[in-house]
Amino acid sequence: GIQVEQSPPDLILQEGANSTLRCNFSDSVNNLQWFHQNPWGQLINLFYIPSGTKQNGRLSATTVATERYSLLYISSSQTTDSGVYFCAVVATGGFKTIFGAGTRLFVKA
Amino acid sequence: NAGVTQTPKFQVLKTGQSMTLQCAQDMNHEYMSWYRQDPGMGLRLIHYSVGAGITDQGEVPNGYNVSRSTTEDFPLRLLSAAPSQTSVYFCASSYSRQGKDTEAFFGQGTRLTVV
Repeated sequence: GIQVEQSPPDLILQEGANSTLRCNFSDSVNNLQWFHQNPWGQLINLFYIPSGTKQNGRLSATTVATERYSLLYISSSQTTDSGVYFCAVVATGGFKTIFGAGTRLFVKA
Repeated sequence: NAGVTQTPKFQVLKTGQSMTLQCAQDMNHEYMSWYRQDPGMGLRLIHYSVGAGITDQGEVPNGYNVSRSTTEDFPLRLLSAAPSQTSVYFCASSYSRQGKDTEAFFGQGTRLTVV
């Protein structure tokens, strides 16, 4: 089945810093989403982005489907950005949403 | 419009007990799925359904049963709970557009402890 790898596994930032999280996937996809899991365990949809670029405030994401990767950019990080960021994909022709292992982000005040 | 609703939020079971985790969605989504998340790990797919009456296994199906009698509901059954099933369980739903699965929406999760 499709493999999803996220990097880095852990990231510590000073408040105000910028960061880039990466998601590589092993096969073509119909669907790619980025989620933020907050410290209370809630999964929050950030982006639905099987291809192209989207922006939402301080966050933006780019997926290059032909090269099988997606990037999540966080600018001017805040302590509330802390948590785990997951990339999840659905392989072309499939129905299963498969998650990467996540990037654990801690933003220091 | 409540989205995806899971009940209960917390549950403690004794080894060997059975129980059903409930999941309901009011968005008329075709696809529903169950995941488990173990500490420090990503979500792993247990079972999924592409419509009423149709279910299939995910990555870690052993020890769990599902059924989908209606579009709205997708319960997950633990027939004989084991400590290895201690985890946080998430239910998700999504719809298809032109035959392609689109964005998934998740419930709040059920934290299950088996002692």
